[in-house]
Amino acid sequence: GAVVSQHPSWVICKSGTSVKIECRSLDFQATTMFWYRQFPKQSLMLMATSNEGSKATYEQGVEKDKFLINHASLTLSTLTVTSAHPEDSSFYICSASWLAGVYNEQFFGPGTRLTVL
Amino acid sequence: KQEVTQIPAALSVPEGENLVLNCSFTDSAIYNLQWFRQDPGKGLTSLLLIQSSQREQTSGRLNASLDKSSGRSTLYIAASQPGDSATYLCAVGGNNDMRFGAGTRLTVKP
Repeated sequence: GAVVSQHPSWVICKSGTSVKIECRSLDFQATTMFWYRQFPKQSLMLMATSNEGSKATYEQGVEKDKFLINHASLTLSTLTVTSAHPEDSSFYICSASWLAGVYNEQFFGPGTRLTVL
Repeated sequence: KQEVTQIPAALSVPEGENLVLNCSFTDSAIYNLQWFRQDPGKGLTSLLLIQSSQREQTSGRLNASLDKSSGRSTLYIAASQPGDSATYLCAVGGNNDMRFGAGTRLTVKP
């Protein structure tokens, strides 16, 4: 149980375009979803936390107008990178948690590798 | 703000050795601590989760301990194998957030 999927697994786009990444909890309802970013040879950095039906809470230094997060249902959250530039190239990982389970445990998706040309 | 540090940053050992990876954190008010494995270019594989009320967890050749008062956790890997080569990440779970260390890159030589 507790499976989280991400789509797409990788994407290549031109500079200036927008890219949407989906994160789905397949077998549970996720009250909270998290988005992380990982640059090469670095650790995961939390970008934002989203609760279903609420606006996302962004970490300091993360532009909310550039990284749009929507958590419209208990099984789906999306991250849209608007007007992507080469410096946005990174590995984006989502995770999901639910309060009824092991408290605060997060279950991670397989990640999406974004390359902006 | 919680800060998580992992030592060493990289470790190379011959096959068969027992080894210890270290993780320290600055704020002892945690909900849990989790160890992950990450292979190059891949996502995270959860290895062990220790709740704040627990002292250790074991799975096969892996044993993780937690000392909240001193802000430390260790991951013990017994009889290391080349397949254990990966980056090991320590993550500390707080109130609705999780903070990661920079990881220890482990190489087990045949």
